[in-house]
Amino acid sequence: DQQVKQNSPSLSVQEGRISILNCDYTNSMFDYFLWYKKYPAEGPTFLISISSIKDKNEDGRFTVFLNKSAKHLSLHIVPSQPGDSAVYFCAASAAYRTDSWGKLQFGAGTQVVVTP
Amino acid sequence: EAQVTQNPRYLITVTGKKLTVTCSQNMNHEYMSWYRQDPGLGLRQIYYSMNVEVTDKGDVPEGYKVSRKEKRNFPLILESPSPNQTSLYFCASSFRQGGTDTQYFGPGTRLTVL
Repeated sequence: DQQVKQNSPSLSVQEGRISILNCDYTNSMFDYFLWYKKYPAEGPTFLISISSIKDKNEDGRFTVFLNKSAKHLSLHIVPSQPGDSAVYFCAASAAYRTDSWGKLQFGAGTQVVVTP
Repeated sequence: EAQVTQNPRYLITVTGKKLTVTCSQNMNHEYMSWYRQDPGLGLRQIYYSMNVEVTDKGDVPEGYKVSRKEKRNFPLILESPSPNQTSLYFCASSFRQGGTDTQYFGPGTRLTVL
């Protein structure tokens, strides 16, 4: 049973517009959330993270929002660029609360295509 | 350059023929993990290791073995591969820093079992 869900397998957006990727989780023990970006034939690369003590974290064009009561997080990319075309994975960890370091739960991923 | 390396990158084998996929990291990370990526399922953890000689099962450990004899290496062993182990495999490493658990991934190994 997947504890982290990305319900949109794909997203198409025009260059310069905002991309919004969504992620839901079921385990209330999760206390650290990450977004990874993956290009074909490469491993996932870390993009941005957020701790459960915050509700927003920003890094350049990327912002992650966390709504703990709804068990929902989202990634905003503004403005979207063609180089952002990739698969984005949401991941969650209960490391701090449960001492289960090294265990990440991933969503199924969202394929983002940014068109010129 | 800080990195996680995996070998081989591509492997085609037959059912039952034992194989090992190697993983090495040069960042002195305590934690290492193996994942498999399958369409519609994302990345699922196979095994992870908290340090040398300390390993534990992830979500899909059946049919796999691991060992952690040195901090930098974490090989994945398939003693009798079967076609349902055809997948894309990723090794990752991380270190403990406060409440964070950011993992760094290798480039992947695409395995086909005929």
